[in-house]
Order: sequence, then structure tokens, then C-alpha cells
Amino acid sequence: DAKTTQPPSMDCAEGRAANLPCNHSTISGNEYVYWYRQIHSQGPQYIIHGLKNNETNEMASLIITEDRKSSTLILPHATLRDTAVYYCIVRPNFGNEKLTFGTGTRLTIIP
Amino acid sequence: DAGVIQSPRHEVTEMGQEVTLRCKPISGHNSLFWYRQTMMRGLELLIYFNNNVPIDDSGMPEDRFSAKMPNASFSTLKIQPSEPRDSAVYFCASTTSGTQYFGPGTRLTVL
Repeated sequence: DAKTTQPPSMDCAEGRAANLPCNHSTISGNEYVYWYRQIHSQGPQYIIHGLKNNETNEMASLIITEDRKSSTLILPHATLRDTAVYYCIVRPNFGNEKLTFGTGTRLTIIP
Repeated sequence: DAGVIQSPRHEVTEMGQEVTLRCKPISGHNSLFWYRQTMMRGLELLIYFNNNVPIDDSGMPEDRFSAKMPNASFSTLKIQPSEPRDSAVYFCASTTSGTQYFGPGTRLTVL
């Protein structure tokens, strides 16, 4: 599976957009980009995933560059409850279903 | 839907004792995963099942660990004998379409 690189930590002011970057320069053509987050003491929570096109759901938006070597997760209006560790993972959508978690980005929302 | 259910939520035991962790996946999901999370190693996959059959157990640390899935609605992870280094949070997750849904975890402390 392709590896990902994320900054270890970020701060964002409450109410502002939080933009979390992820590099995945070795991503293969059949690999999707998944984002999960883990709020303290809870199980990881699925946020969003995409292949080529930008995606949006009720939680976030995912912007994938045209060459697919990097992506950005956007939380449009961050709240204190968005403080968590955010994981960017690449994996095939079918076949091997394993998720390999890296160290993620610890996002802290500042009041 | 109740989500993935894990029991117990907390377990404290003494070295050498047998420990059994339990997981009930989301109804209709055909894949189940066991993960372990520690400060040192992060979140790592131990084993996963597809249609009740173990597919990949390469993450199981040693013979003291075993996992079973006797039917589609129940799985166990057993540690015998337990050691202090097994202290961790153990998560169970299930999926049917690639997106994994995690349970709340079992916090295991081995004294």
C-alpha cells in the first residue's frame, strides 16, 4: 500500500476552515484516499474518501490534486468537537481491505 | 443501528491470566477487523475476517493471541497467557463496502 505523509500537528481557530494536507506521492491508480479521525479515547471515525474527483459530504470536503500525489481535507467551520487526530490512508477499494494507519495529524481547535 | 459493540469496555487482569475480548459487528457487514492501539506503536491491524474466514493474521503478535469468528454476528480475541506488554486499547471494526466502522474499544490493563 502507498504510504502517506502528514504534518504531526496543526492548530485552527474555532469557526475557521481547517485544511489538513496529506502527501501520497506513490499512490497507485486503483487506490483511494480515505480520511478517518480519532477523538480522544474513542474509536476511529470515517470522514470521507475519494479516487480522483473532489468529494463533499456533511462532515468535510476532500480535494485531490490532478496528479493524485496529494490531497487536502477541509473542515469548513471547525468547532471544538473537531479536535482529534486525523489519519490519511490510501488503499484499494476492493480486494485487500486492510487499513494501515500512520501517525496522523493532531488537530487542535482553539477557542 | 447500534454500531459495532465491544465488551468489556475495560478489563484489568493479572499477568498469566486468560483474557477474552468480544465483538458484535454491524448487522449485514461481511468483514471484521481487530486492531490494537498503544502509544508506542499506534494503531495496528491484528487480523481480519471476510465471511467469517480469517484472511490475514500477519499482525497477530504471537501464539498467545488467537481470534475466532464462529458466525457473522460474533467474534472473539483471546490472549492466553496475558503479559503486561499486552496492555493496550483493542478495537473491532466491520465493513461491507470498504468503509470501516469502529467500535468503542476495550481498554486492557495487564498487571
